[in-house]
Amino acid sequence: TQLLKQSPQFLSIQEGENLTVYCNSSSVFSSLQWYRQEPGEGPVLLVTVVTGGEVKKLKRLTFQFGDARKDSSLHITAAQPGDTGLYLCAGEAGGTSYGKLTFGQGTILTVHP
Amino acid sequence: NAGVMQNPRHLVRRRGQEARLRCSPVKGHSHVYWYRQLPEEGLKFMVYLQKENIIDESGMPKERFSAEFPKEGPSILRIQQVVRGDSAAYFCASSPARENYGYTFGSGTRLTVV
Repeated sequence: TQLLKQSPQFLSIQEGENLTVYCNSSSVFSSLQWYRQEPGEGPVLLVTVVTGGEVKKLKRLTFQFGDARKDSSLHITAAQPGDTGLYLCAGEAGGTSYGKLTFGQGTILTVHP
Repeated sequence: NAGVMQNPRHLVRRRGQEARLRCSPVKGHSHVYWYRQLPEEGLKFMVYLQKENIIDESGMPKERFSAEFPKEGPSILRIQQVVRGDSAAYFCASSPARENYGYTFGSGTRLTVV
């Protein structure tokens, strides 16, 4: 069974601060996806990383896939109240497991004005 | 430009009744996935379907749960004889292909069993 450990579970920071969310596993994934979920809604895809060592930027968000494709991080620079939400990482093993995402427990981020 | 449409958004059932959850994928998407989000737990994969075929049902409870994606119409997740432990948010996702690297999720159906 593949597991994804996401940390921290809760993060409460002031506007303008930087933060990093981590997603770790002992398993190799063919891709690692990051989603954001608002209360009462479904997850919305932010980014997908597929190559070991890959770095992708989305405005103030930077996503990195570990060299061994077992871990990933999400870094937010100068957080804003609009960044508040639940952030989820999800790994896809590939092969016969395409379509079967393993989700982390999520990080609830609160950015205070 | 509809995304994944799920209905109903909220469903209340008494113990022992049947629950039917519907999912219409993004237009042109032929791959559908169902996930369950239990209170205090993360999203868990249930089943992966293509039109008229179940590809992977490894996450589906063996009893009372079934899923289909007919040639015409939405995908249906059916839960027979619901119990309190079935109360959860059920999400459907779709993709245009299997090796897709990213999925579009619906807003979910929140099932409450009373």
